[in-house]
Amino acid sequence: GESVGLHLPTLSVQEGDNSIINCAYSNSASDYFIWYKQESGKGPQFIIDIRSNMDKRQGQRVTVLLNKTVKHLSLQIAATQPGDSAVYFCAENIVRGNYQLIWGAGTKLIIKP
Amino acid sequence: KAGVTQTPRYLIKTRGQQVTLSCSPISGHRSVSWYQQTPGQGLQFLFEYFSETQRNKGNFPGRFSGRQFSNSRSEMNVSTLELGDSALYLCASSTGTADTQYFGPGTRLTVL
Repeated sequence: GESVGLHLPTLSVQEGDNSIINCAYSNSASDYFIWYKQESGKGPQFIIDIRSNMDKRQGQRVTVLLNKTVKHLSLQIAATQPGDSAVYFCAENIVRGNYQLIWGAGTKLIIKP
Repeated sequence: KAGVTQTPRYLIKTRGQQVTLSCSPISGHRSVSWYQQTPGQGLQFLFEYFSETQRNKGNFPGRFSGRQFSNSRSEMNVSTLELGDSALYLCASSTGTADTQYFGPGTRLTVL
């Protein structure tokens, strides 16, 4: 069925390096994708989004890439900092007439000092 | 603008009891979605309300219900609590179209 999934459940990165978190989606009709960050004990926070008419979008230290050909989404975090430690979720909007977001399982990002 | 607020933040109940959680969305947002999150798990969608009507529903038993008021505030109710209902319950608000959802801090429910 339709789903959004993450390739790696846990990602360990050296502080200062770049992080890349991947996400696969299965519905080619999806037109809106969002990345969220969830720190321990908190609700998910919006990081960045991208619509299907784009293939790249940049924010502050973050970049989201969308490859519609292979139905793949990635979040790149530049110069990873200890504060980036969190679980990252991708979400996909499937327009079924009711605008429901479909969530991936999450990737835990661990920063090594 | 004030963010999404949820009350209470923490709750302890015993099996068989029922519980009501409250969510106040961002001003102007008409959609409220509820999610259940268990340790190490992703977000499991419960339901979404838009303009006082349930617009989407996840795969949860009928013990889980909700409602939305005319001011867009929403409540969810869980009846006959089970141990497995222990989780973080998150609410998110949005304008209601294909846009970003903004989350509250969640209510941590523990069922003993």
